[in-house]
Amino acid sequence: SQQGEEDPQALSIQEGENATMNCSYKTSINNLQWYRQNSGRGLVHLILIRSNEREKHSGRLRVTLDTSKKSSSLLITASRAADTASYFCATDSNTGGFKTIFGAGTRLFVKA
Amino acid sequence: GAGVSQSPSNKVTEKGKDVELRCDPISGHTALYWYRQSLGQGLEFLIYFQGNSAPDKSGLPSDRFSAERTGGSVSTLTIQRTQQEDSAVYLCASSPSRVYNEQFFGPGTRLTVL
Repeated sequence: SQQGEEDPQALSIQEGENATMNCSYKTSINNLQWYRQNSGRGLVHLILIRSNEREKHSGRLRVTLDTSKKSSSLLITASRAADTASYFCATDSNTGGFKTIFGAGTRLFVKA
Repeated sequence: GAGVSQSPSNKVTEKGKDVELRCDPISGHTALYWYRQSLGQGLEFLIYFQGNSAPDKSGLPSDRFSAERTGGSVSTLTIQRTQQEDSAVYLCASSPSRVYNEQFFGPGTRLTVL
């Protein structure tokens, strides 16, 4: 079963607004990553946050990680129509095995 | 430089036939992953390679699925006696190492089993 679960499943906002997506997971992890997928460019890595980090920034992206709640959030500021895509969180467990577990994703639609 | 490539991009086959899907990872990447993605869903982990060995095959859904990697490079995912539920996009990803976790994905192979 999938470990990561994103919330909401779908999100529609206006260009210029901020978009926040959440991810929850079940077991202890080494790191958590966010990926974006759209039909034009396939799956692209956005940002990785390690289990000992609480917040990370990359351009218009801000990721937080709360290991006590087993949750993460991805904030996209000043959204653009080009941000329209599906966003997935992915976790690498530290409880054995070598799986990377992806959630079902949040579908973001940014209206111009 | 070249990214991860996969072939074929599309494969239509009849139920019961065997198929082979190929992945060419980025040169020098020792870690290689196979996933499959059904329509509108997330990625389902299938198998992980470190070099030519597969320390984690736990995601392979049945014994009809197998994969190998040769020369620490090209990988082939084989599905025997395909079933309609095998229809999905099969994605391959590579990474410089297991420790360096960012995965670089190929464009995928869309498999349709009629």
